[in-house]
Amino acid sequence: NAGVTQTPKFRVLKTGQSMTLLCAQDMNHEYMYWYRQDPGMGLRLIHYSVGEGTTAKGEVPDGYNVSRLKKQNFLLGLESAAPSQTSVYFCASKPLAGGPSVATQYFGPGTRLLVL
Amino acid sequence: DAKTTQPNSMESNEEEPVHLPCNHSTISGTDYIHWYRQLPSQGPEYVIHGLTSNVNNRMASLAIAEDRKSSTLILHRATLRDAAVYYCILAYNQGGKLIFGQGTELSVKP
Repeated sequence: NAGVTQTPKFRVLKTGQSMTLLCAQDMNHEYMYWYRQDPGMGLRLIHYSVGEGTTAKGEVPDGYNVSRLKKQNFLLGLESAAPSQTSVYFCASKPLAGGPSVATQYFGPGTRLLVL
Repeated sequence: DAKTTQPNSMESNEEEPVHLPCNHSTISGTDYIHWYRQLPSQGPEYVIHGLTSNVNNRMASLAIAEDRKSSTLILHRATLRDAAVYYCILAYNQGGKLIFGQGTELSVKP
C-alpha cells in the first residue's frame, strides 16, 4: 500500500492563479482531512470529509474549496492564490473503525506551496 | 474547546528516558488524548493514544493522571531518530478532528 500520497510535492504560483492539490489514499478510509502548516507552527485544519460526497469546514477554510467525489480522493482548490496561502499542506485520512475520537490519522508527505 | 499546554522545547541525551509533559485541564470526559510526532520535513505520525488508563506500545508509553488533567509521553530510550516535534492533542468527537498546538520540540544529544 502506498498509504496517503499528495500531488504535487512543490509548486510556485503567482498571486491570483488557481490550482488544485490532490490527495489520494488506498486504505479505504472514510475520513479525510486537509491541513496547512506555517513555519514554526502546528497544523491547522482547513476542511475535512467524513465520507464520499460530504465536506465540512475546519479552523481556516477561507480561500479554499474541497471536493470528495471519490472515496479515495480529496481535492483542495485555491481559486485565487494569495501570498498568505504560502504554506505546507498536509492531507490525512482515518478509518471509520473505533469511532471519530479513537482511530489514528495517517498523514501524507506534504505539498510545499509558494505564492509570489 | 479543550486545549493542551506543552513546553516549547526539551533536550535529552541518547539512550536516556524522556518524559514529555502535557496539561489539559479542560478535558471533557469523552476526549481521547493523542500524541503525534513530526520528524523534520515530514508529515505527522501517530505515536499513541489513551482515554483513562496508561497505555504502552512499541514506540512509547502514555501515563495519564487520575484526574485526566495532564498526561506524560514516555520514550524509554531516546535515539537520535526521536528528535522531532511532539504534539499532545485532544481528539474531538465530531469527525475525529485533531487540533494541533505548537508542540514540544525534542532534541536528542549523542
